[in-house]
Amino acid sequence: GQNIDQPTEMTATEGAIVQINCTYQTSGFNGLFWYQQHAGEAPTFLSYNVLDGLEEKGRFSSFLSRSKGYSYLLLKELQMKDSASYLCAVRDGPGGYNKLIFGAGTRLAVHP
Amino acid sequence: NAGVMQNPRHLVRRRGQEARLRCSPMKGHSHVYWYRQLPEEGLKFMVYLQKENIIDESGMPKERFSAEFPKEGPSILRIQQVVRGDSAAYFCASSPKDRWANTGELFFGEGSRLTVL
Repeated sequence: GQNIDQPTEMTATEGAIVQINCTYQTSGFNGLFWYQQHAGEAPTFLSYNVLDGLEEKGRFSSFLSRSKGYSYLLLKELQMKDSASYLCAVRDGPGGYNKLIFGAGTRLAVHP
Repeated sequence: NAGVMQNPRHLVRRRGQEARLRCSPMKGHSHVYWYRQLPEEGLKFMVYLQKENIIDESGMPKERFSAEFPKEGPSILRIQQVVRGDSAAYFCASSPKDRWANTGELFFGEGSRLTVL
């Protein structure tokens, strides 16, 4: 079956660092994605990992361990506008098949 | 450089009516995906289409729901005889041809929010 787990809610302080974890058990694996979704808006792409290790992109970094079925999204220098839901998603199809399976999302609240 | 366009943004229907949601993918994209999002929940895959073909409909309810992506025009998600449980946000996403030339991320529209009274 397909199972993607992430915490439901997190809170953090402006300027701090927060790590959002994601564990997955899927029938296949061809990449892990993180998306940001503000309330009432479209999800927007943040990061992509297909090999083990850390991918850094400005204030956002994402880590993947395929052997552990584990990823995290690291947000540095938090800003109020980072308050949003963060969705972990796995592409489990064959090569080139872009269907993504999403976790339920983590609602992050950033406080002053 | 328009993104994925969905309409209507908001739709209200009474129980038993039909809902039609439309999605125009990004220019150059030939693959469309429909997802449903219930309040406070994640995105649930419904169907994956290419022009004139349904590739994967494993997430579609067996009855009342159908989807198409004709040769010309937008993709349509159709819900017949709507019930209250169909109230949700329906997101469409598109991607270029299925190749490994890029990360293959999906580009999402703003969603259509269906309310069934």
